[in-house]
Amino acid sequence: NAGVTQTPKFRILKIGQSMTLQCTQDMNHNYMYWYRQDPGMGLKLIYYSVGAGITDKGEVPNGYNVSRSTTEDFPLRLELAAPSQTSVYFCASSSLRGRGYTFGSGTRLTVV
Amino acid sequence: AQSVTQLGSHVSVSEGALVLLRCNYSSSVPPYLFWYVQYPNQGLQLLLKYTTGATLVKGINGFEAEFKKSETSFHLTKPSAHMSDAAEYFCAVNLSQGAQKLVFGQGTRLTINP
Repeated sequence: NAGVTQTPKFRILKIGQSMTLQCTQDMNHNYMYWYRQDPGMGLKLIYYSVGAGITDKGEVPNGYNVSRSTTEDFPLRLELAAPSQTSVYFCASSSLRGRGYTFGSGTRLTVV
Repeated sequence: AQSVTQLGSHVSVSEGALVLLRCNYSSSVPPYLFWYVQYPNQGLQLLLKYTTGATLVKGINGFEAEFKKSETSFHLTKPSAHMSDAAEYFCAVNLSQGAQKLVFGQGTRLTINP
């Protein structure tokens, strides 16, 4: 059982470049989330989705976009990368309230 | 608004000593509460959770936590620390009944001294 798979694991971007962080889950979970983790700041919600075709903003959505065309996939798009987007990004999924999240292993992104 | 506060960004204990990591929350609805652990360069793993029922919940690796509504707390404990417990620990509260969005505390890094 793969769970939540994120690619790539590491990436260095130059300022102004764009990229897509991939996230796939094989548990048929309806809910999917993108968080960013910065030292001493915990995890901040970027975007989330409650099902295919439905997405909504979280706490820190600026500079990011998402789509959810299938239940399995929830890619995160960075447009015009900025140094402030240097972070570790985690994708997660869940089924019912109270079950908690299953997390991917993360993508470490550096913008230079 | 819901929020989570973890008291102490770093906690250091000796091997075999009691581990106590503090978490307080604010929530306008009955909370669902979670503790996650993150080992270096890995994702987060669920340690334990409180939803309803018994207020003392047991998790993996000998950890437990008690939900105290009157104190709005959900502190994590372990009677005897092991070297393998060294990690970062996050407390989280369920934000809404619909999308089950979690709000995380800032994390507590646990160091175990031999």
